[in-house]
Amino acid sequence: GAGVSQSPRYKVAKRGQDVALRCDPISGHVSLFWYQQALGQGPEFLTYFQNEAQLDKSGLPSDRFFAERPEGSVSTLKIQRTQQEDSAVYLCASTLGASGGSEQFFGPGTRLTVL
Amino acid sequence: KNEVEQSPQNLTAQEGEFITINCSYSVGISALHWLQQHPGGGIVSLFMLSSGKKKHGRLIATINIQEKHSSLHITASHPRDSAVYICAVLAGSARQLTFGSGTQLTVLP
Repeated sequence: GAGVSQSPRYKVAKRGQDVALRCDPISGHVSLFWYQQALGQGPEFLTYFQNEAQLDKSGLPSDRFFAERPEGSVSTLKIQRTQQEDSAVYLCASTLGASGGSEQFFGPGTRLTVL
Repeated sequence: KNEVEQSPQNLTAQEGEFITINCSYSVGISALHWLQQHPGGGIVSLFMLSSGKKKHGRLIATINIQEKHSSLHITASHPRDSAVYICAVLAGSARQLTFGSGTQLTVLP
């Protein structure tokens, strides 16, 4: 595809449910980032992959959050036992290079609402 | 910890006005991004800069590394410029961006 895609675009979950959010980066992009954006705030870093390796997961807020990118392309962010405070827009971004100086291309985000 | 502060938080302008949005940060950076976010969440990169000034159409971005400050200017603003503008920095050797909280711009016809 031409850009970064994410699915689903909207997800409503009952508290306690598990959810899985998918990101398809631009083909050939080495780096992939997940960010969490609360309402009215800027995005905050969750985790970073270089190819299939998760090099930084320091932003994941709890052990209920898990991310993977097994073949170095598509990535999945999984949230177990969702809580209301998990409600946010989850953004995925990819860059061509491995360094941080490349332009980041963002997906449209997945808006998660936990009831 | 790197802090990124934007001002103003909200800005309403009349069509045609010159607009300035400011961004200050607290640590040394390797690059600064200006991003535009429309309702629905999609984020578009406007500029990435590490020094000086860049111009694209009616948009101008400047950065002063010594003062740890950047500005985004919009000349001859138009209602279609209405969006959230976000400043984000790449601190030192970090790979991930640190974002400001955004400036909500509304341009009235």
